[in-house]
Amino acid sequence: AQSVTQLDSQVPVFEEAPVELRCNYSSSVSVYLFWYVQYPNQGLQLLLKYLSGSTLVESINGFEAEFNKSQTSFHLRKPSVHISDTAEYFCAVGQPDYKLSFGAGTTVTVRA
Amino acid sequence: DVKVTQSSRYLVKRTGEKVFLECVQDMDHENMFWYRQDPGLGLRLIYFSYDVKMKEKGDIPEGYSVSREKKERFSLILESASTNQTSMYLCASSGGTGRQQDEQYFGPGTRLTVT
Repeated sequence: AQSVTQLDSQVPVFEEAPVELRCNYSSSVSVYLFWYVQYPNQGLQLLLKYLSGSTLVESINGFEAEFNKSQTSFHLRKPSVHISDTAEYFCAVGQPDYKLSFGAGTTVTVRA
Repeated sequence: DVKVTQSSRYLVKRTGEKVFLECVQDMDHENMFWYRQDPGLGLRLIYFSYDVKMKEKGDIPEGYSVSREKKERFSLILESASTNQTSMYLCASSGGTGRQQDEQYFGPGTRLTVT
């Protein structure tokens, strides 16, 4: 089975500063990776995903993540955060048989 | 847009009560999932279903059951609620045929408190 480790449970950051959320996975088969975001009092929304091709994937709101096969990582970055980026972020890996395995989540708190 | 709705945002029940959580999706998805979300533990899969009347246990099925009589509806049942089932419950759906690259679409969640 594949597993996901998010290395930081809480990340406080000032507005307009960069942020990086770390995610490592374990897998011996082809990997499909996802980042989901959960804003306060809402369900999860897909932020971006890696399926194949370019190892750098981007979202529409300025986040990007890089798939690194040798380091088994899929870290999420944003060069300049906004207050509205305050949320919990989940890394996930696609499993056979319909399932996703999620990390424990990283709470990002953006302060003015 | 895919829409996944859950019957309640907040629910308070007493220990021993039978609890039904309902989930409906409007995109004709084959696959539906129930997770519980707890601080520091992320999302844990309770049950999932890949077809009407089909169900499979996830990682933490104990104390729960599910029902899928129609394609668009997936119900989670707590036969006898206990305080350790106080949690956020999230429903999700996905299309496709069980491929690893299928993303899931989530409902807003039901925060259940058992007293």
